[in-house]
Amino acid sequence: GAGVSQSPSNKVTEKGKDVELRCDPISGHTALYWYRQSLGQGLEFLIYFQGNSAPDKSGLPSDRFSAERTGGSVSTLTIQRTQQEDSAVYLCASSLREKTQYFGPGTRLLVL
Amino acid sequence: AQRVTQPEKLLSVFKGAPVELKCNYSYSGSPELFWYVQYSRQRLQLLLRHISRESIKGFTADLNKGETSFHLKKPFAQEEDSAMYYCALSATGGFKTIFGAGTRLFVKA
Repeated sequence: GAGVSQSPSNKVTEKGKDVELRCDPISGHTALYWYRQSLGQGLEFLIYFQGNSAPDKSGLPSDRFSAERTGGSVSTLTIQRTQQEDSAVYLCASSLREKTQYFGPGTRLLVL
Repeated sequence: AQRVTQPEKLLSVFKGAPVELKCNYSYSGSPELFWYVQYSRQRLQLLLRHISRESIKGFTADLNKGETSFHLKKPFAQEEDSAMYYCALSATGGFKTIFGAGTRLFVKA
């Protein structure tokens, strides 16, 4: 079946603009995760959603970052007033309760 | 606090040599440990998890709670093993997953 998809694959924006990144998880997966991958920094946990529980937002680096998951499926990560340090690859993953995560291809964000 | 440390950013070995990618963790509870791999131009994918106690592509990893380690090992490296390897930890019963910084393995012919 279809894997996790993310859009756009690349995004170039100007400092101060808002951006929205989209994630379509694997159908039926109850958990959805967002990570940020910066050069030499590994994967930085941002947020996860699990079923109808309140999301764990403990990894969001500032209040400029927010995410929502509608209908238990598609998720959008929004970054307001982007800064150059927000430039990174943003990865989405989904899983069932057994927690093996299936990753999307990522969105490469460049803030000029 | 949960923390995963992969001390080597780059590991280079010759084909046929043994390889060990180190992973140490810090967590006060009972952890679940994973190794994920990202081959060139491919998505990040699960390699193995400690609760499965299985060998994937010749790789094994043993959870050592005394040393808080989960090192990844393979007795004979192959060129196709060249990739970026990430160690990850989540709390048993929880979903938040912390990844290490990753180790790039380069297997030379």
